[in-house]
Amino acid sequence: GAVVSQHPSRVICKSGTSVKIECRSLDFQATTMFWYRQFPKQSLMLMATSNEGSKATYEQGVEKDKFLINHASLTLSTLTVTSAHPEDSSFYICSARRYTGELFFGEGSRLTVL
Amino acid sequence: DAKTTQPPSMDCAEGRAANLPCNHSTISGNEYVYWYRQIHSQGPQYIIHGLKNNETNEMASLIITEDRKSSTLILPHATLRDTAVYYCIVRVDGGGSQGNLIFGKGTKLSVKP
Repeated sequence: GAVVSQHPSRVICKSGTSVKIECRSLDFQATTMFWYRQFPKQSLMLMATSNEGSKATYEQGVEKDKFLINHASLTLSTLTVTSAHPEDSSFYICSARRYTGELFFGEGSRLTVL
Repeated sequence: DAKTTQPPSMDCAEGRAANLPCNHSTISGNEYVYWYRQIHSQGPQYIIHGLKNNETNEMASLIITEDRKSSTLILPHATLRDTAVYYCIVRVDGGGSQGNLIFGKGTKLSVKP
């Protein structure tokens, strides 16, 4: 099946620093990628939709200046958590949409802000 | 609002079939039924999807009722590695933001030896 890779899988940072998470579709081109956030024992919540070559569309309540999304190529989208705080600690997951319609998910990136 | 209703948890004996139900009584004619699962601390994994016909692949079978208001995911011979949260999602198979998946709470399937 199609493979979507996220990096890093785990990251620990100090409060106030910025963290970048990469999402790559390894064997297909993805014009659309999605970023989700998942808190412990909760379901995935969509944060934003990332379209290649254009600005991301953010869900209500998600600060676009805090969660910067770049989708510069058909195989790479990045999420940067700027000035991270402990409440941003979460499991961040990306998905990439293949032309056939299926969505494939990355392995997730666990962010811990101290 | 979530468009699907699933039982919060189910148990299944190893080697037996696991039948996971899902109600989607408000499904629209152009919405597909998708199933994903999430093993603890991993990203969701695609299982299967269908529109109105029953579907089968190497992982599972999907049975959709004739009125499309409910469906059942069948894992024919459950193993311990199938323990996960299973999400039933209805989705318009379109581009842009229509390609998004809205996750409900899913069913936590526990396969027991």
